[in-house]
Amino acid sequence: DAGVIQSPRHEVTEMGQEVTLRCKPISGHDYLFWYRQTMMRGLELLIYFNNNVPIDDSGMPEDRFSAKMPNASFSTLKIQPSEPRDSAVYFCASRLTGSYEQYFGPGTRLTVT
Amino acid sequence: GENVEQHPSTLSVQEGDSAVIKCTYSDSASNYFPWYKQELGKRPQLIIDIRSNVGEKKDQRIAVTLNKTAKHFSLHITETQPEDSAVYFCAASTPRHGQNFVFGPGTRLSVLP
Repeated sequence: DAGVIQSPRHEVTEMGQEVTLRCKPISGHDYLFWYRQTMMRGLELLIYFNNNVPIDDSGMPEDRFSAKMPNASFSTLKIQPSEPRDSAVYFCASRLTGSYEQYFGPGTRLTVT
Repeated sequence: GENVEQHPSTLSVQEGDSAVIKCTYSDSASNYFPWYKQELGKRPQLIIDIRSNVGEKKDQRIAVTLNKTAKHFSLHITETQPEDSAVYFCAASTPRHGQNFVFGPGTRLSVLP
């Protein structure tokens, strides 16, 4: 298996622009998580899905952030409009029901100027 | 909600010495405690985990101990090597929160040759 796949790996954008991050979980995994990592706040859970349904989005910072999972093999995290304080590494992770281990993707490094 | 603290924030040891990283958690219902290693620019990867019905687990040079009464758990690395240099994150996971992870702030371990 290729593991969790994320794209793009790096994104540089200007303040006010829309940013879309993409994730493909490990095939067969039914949980998908979006995390944000910064030096100040560490690894924060933003939202997670189970069987493509959003279960808990309490970690989403504000209405500028939205996430979707249209099918079992694809999820997006969108920021509109983006701000410099959104600069961070965004990780996607997945796991299988019955197993607690989460497998992380390579991350997307977002820089908003 | 769950709160995870981790100490120390940085740790330097000589190659061959042992390293110990400690974490505390607040939710007595937490039942799964993973440790992730993150090398610079890479994704977090699971190195060892422990469930609440076990007091200690060992895998070659790494071990984890859990004290449920005191609500703390520790990572022990023996015979450290330069490739052990990384940031280590502990986490706690609770059934009522979907077995999601709350991560500690991380410990930067440097193994000096």
